[in-house]
Amino acid sequence: DVKVTQSSRYLVKRTGEKVFLECVQDMDHENMFWYRQDPGLGLRLIYFSYDVKMKEKGDIPEGYSVSREKKERFSLILESASTNQTSMYLCASSLRGTSVMNTEAFFGQGTRLTVV
Amino acid sequence: AQTVTQSQPEMSVQEAETVTLSCTYDTSENNYYLFWYKQPPSRQMILVIRQEAYKQQNATENRFSVNFQKAAKSFSLKISDSQLGDTAMYFCASLHVQGAQKLVFGQGTRLTINP
Repeated sequence: DVKVTQSSRYLVKRTGEKVFLECVQDMDHENMFWYRQDPGLGLRLIYFSYDVKMKEKGDIPEGYSVSREKKERFSLILESASTNQTSMYLCASSLRGTSVMNTEAFFGQGTRLTVV
Repeated sequence: AQTVTQSQPEMSVQEAETVTLSCTYDTSENNYYLFWYKQPPSRQMILVIRQEAYKQQNATENRFSVNFQKAAKSFSLKISDSQLGDTAMYFCASLHVQGAQKLVFGQGTRLTINP
């Protein structure tokens, strides 16, 4: 079974702190994604990566950065956490597929981040 | 642009009824895939059904089927004989196949199946 693991399920940080959210997948997937999930807004894409050291901005990248030094690990960084970054963060990974049958995204359990 | 819109924030039906969730999308690409994902109260996202834009035939997976209208850019999900375990958030998503494969989701529909 594909496994996508996020380092924490719950996290509480103070305003201004630098926050690292880690995501690891064990299926050699090329694509990895970071989303934030807020009620009424669905899943909004923050950043994604299609290869080691490659990254693309999603729809809401402001206030975030990412790092992908190894294929299996994709980190989301909040340089200076703010209260409006309180949210559920979901990581996902998928094969870089050419068939709809092998491009399914697999998700981690999510990290509920509270910034106080 | 790549956007997905779900206009029904919440829906509620009785067990065994049929329910249809709406989804519209916008894309400038010709080669893309569409998906429905389910997020139960446990928070674990699960793939429900998938559709390739080049295929006209609507996808089906047991009680789940889609109505894919490519010209209208519509991709609705039909759940037949609904069960209590279908209670969940449902998200529609699109994936561009060429270039960087960006996966974009809609706002979600909270579906409640009542006994």
